Amino acid sequence: EADIYQTPRYLVIGTGKKITLECSQTMGHDKMYWYQQDPGMELHLIHYSYGVNSTEKGDLSSESTVSRIRTEHFPLTLESARPSHTSQYLCASSELQGNTGELFFGEGSRLTVL
Amino acid sequence: SQQGEEDPQALSIQEGENATMNCSYKTSINNLQWYRQNSGRGLVHLILIRSNEREKHSGRLRVTLDTSKKSSSLLITASRAADTASYFCATETSGSRLTFGEGTQLTVNP
Repeated sequence: EADIYQTPRYLVIGTGKKITLECSQTMGHDKMYWYQQDPGMELHLIHYSYGVNSTEKGDLSSESTVSRIRTEHFPLTLESARPSHTSQYLCASSELQGNTGELFFGEGSRLTVL
Repeated sequence: SQQGEEDPQALSIQEGENATMNCSYKTSINNLQWYRQNSGRGLVHLILIRSNEREKHSGRLRVTLDTSKKSSSLLITASRAADTASYFCATETSGSRLTFGEGTQLTVNP
């Protein structure tokens, strides 16, 4: 069982609202990631971080932003949600050593914007 | 286009049969990983095979890697209804980032 937690699991909000998806891990991992996944589709990397104060854009352009003030915490924020942001957001972490390693995933946050 | 593409997109078999899923990729990799995802849940790591390895086993799972063909296969032997899930391959290139394929939806009928 991975020690990585996402909240909320499900969120339904109206257009224009600001939302923050929380992700925390207790494994002391330096690397953390956010993936976006539509139902039945592949995962797209939208943000990643290699440590505190390090954040990078992923392969898929996203209007969301992230921060990494603490090793264990990697929240994702949407300043003004739109229906096009409706998706599942998956947070993951891995160890920093070398360039290989498995990703540990949270259970996901399913966002619906009306 | 995606670095990893999987085949088939969907597979339906009977309990006890073997399931084979394939993954092809385009560029050189450091390693290839397979993950499982139950509906509506996060992904769970199954197995990692490095670029200098050709085959790896873990329980009922067998993974092969052919770097000359840029392809990998995941075999699940003696499948169970509980194996029903989506299976994704993920390739790691330079930069320590994983790129996921589109996944294979496996249904194992009791």
